[in-house]
Amino acid sequence: GAGVSQSPSNKVTEKGKDVELRCDPISGHTALYWYRQSLGQGLEFLIYFQGNSAPDKSGLPSDRFSAERTGGSVSTLTIQRTQQEDSAVYLCASSAYDTQYFGPGTRLTVL
Amino acid sequence: QKEVEQDPGPLSVPEGAIVSLNCTYSNSAFQYFMWYRQYSRKGPELLMYTYSSGNKEDGRFTAQVDKSSKYISLFIRDSQPSDSATYLCAMDDNAGNNRKLIWGLGTSLGVNP
Repeated sequence: GAGVSQSPSNKVTEKGKDVELRCDPISGHTALYWYRQSLGQGLEFLIYFQGNSAPDKSGLPSDRFSAERTGGSVSTLTIQRTQQEDSAVYLCASSAYDTQYFGPGTRLTVL
Repeated sequence: QKEVEQDPGPLSVPEGAIVSLNCTYSNSAFQYFMWYRQYSRKGPELLMYTYSSGNKEDGRFTAQVDKSSKYISLFIRDSQPSDSATYLCAMDDNAGNNRKLIWGLGTSLGVNP
């Protein structure tokens, strides 16, 4: 079956612009996670959704970062007023219970 | 000190070699341990999942957990060029949803034909 998909695969933006990253989880998976992966930093947890609600937003690095999930399916991560330190690969994972299945990620470059 | 330590490598071995990848951790509450494999420009994929101490084998892969030493290992037998990837360990103390996995940095492995 179809796995987790993310779009765009690559995004280059200028400092100060807003960006939206999209995640389509595996159908039927109620849990959805966003991570950030930077060189030398490993995977950094950002936010967790159960259905449409986000009981754990503790990893969002600043109020420039927000995320939503609609219909218990698609999720969007928005970064406002991007900074160069936001450059990273943003990974989405979905889970039915225990195992997290990852998408290919969006590589964000802020110039 | 990070909660999970993993040598980033890179590690380079000839085809057919036995590879040993390791992570150490500091939180004695961790009891679920995972190894993920990540190919370049792809997301991580789950390779092995173990609970508590002991060994688990799947084909050429063996995962080993030593909770007394807070040390986990992944062994790859008869390594192949297709095993060239980054291997990440992850762990936590809680099963189910809202898993706050703690990740190692990943070890980059190259298997040379």
